[in-house]
Amino acid sequence: QITLNESGPTLVKPTQTLTLTCTFSGFSLSTNGVGVGWIRQPPGKAMEWLGLIYWDDDTRYSPSLKTRLTITRDTSKAQVVLTMTNMDPVDTATYYCAHRSADLLLFDSWGQGTLVTVSS
Amino acid sequence: DIQMTQSPSTLSASIGDRVTITCRASQSISDLVAWYQHKPGKAPKLLIYGTFSLESGVPSRFSGGGSGTEFTLTISSLQPDDLATYYCQQYTSFWTFGQGTRVEI
Repeated sequence: QITLNESGPTLVKPTQTLTLTCTFSGFSLSTNGVGVGWIRQPPGKAMEWLGLIYWDDDTRYSPSLKTRLTITRDTSKAQVVLTMTNMDPVDTATYYCAHRSADLLLFDSWGQGTLVTVSS
Repeated sequence: DIQMTQSPSTLSASIGDRVTITCRASQSISDLVAWYQHKPGKAPKLLIYGTFSLESGVPSRFSGGGSGTEFTLTISSLQPDDLATYYCQQYTSFWTFGQGTRVEI
């Protein structure tokens, strides 16, 4: 059974850097084709894909946020870390990590999400 | 970017009703469309992938269809447990989501 759990601060100040950790189990990020992605949902708005790290350490980012995002992994700890710089109140959202299936090419298992509020 | 426009934003129906949610893509895409169910405080749940394929364990009252730029999710007989928000997603080019449809019983 695949499980993912997001952790990190619930409140950050404008201009600060957000660091979120996704701890997962039930799969290996060393398996060919597998990835872990990040998606967010501002209150009352649509979900937005942020980025993804693949089994081979390749990364993909949303073009609109590319300059602010970094995704890394620690395979030994079964963790993926999202870093987002220069946080703004518009970045207030629930942030999710999700397993990208090698077979289905999409996010088939998600974490419950963590709400991050950006406010001074 | 491929945009996904989902309608309606809210759907009120009765138990046993057949309901359909529609998603329109901003350009013609392959069959790489998925549908998720999302309940408050829970992880989104994959229902349909590849436009038509039912994810394992998902009740058969859920079905997907469409092609080109128009795609649908149908619940053949609405049940109380189906109270949730539903999202479409395209994964032809990166991943983009519809705005969501809240289903009220």
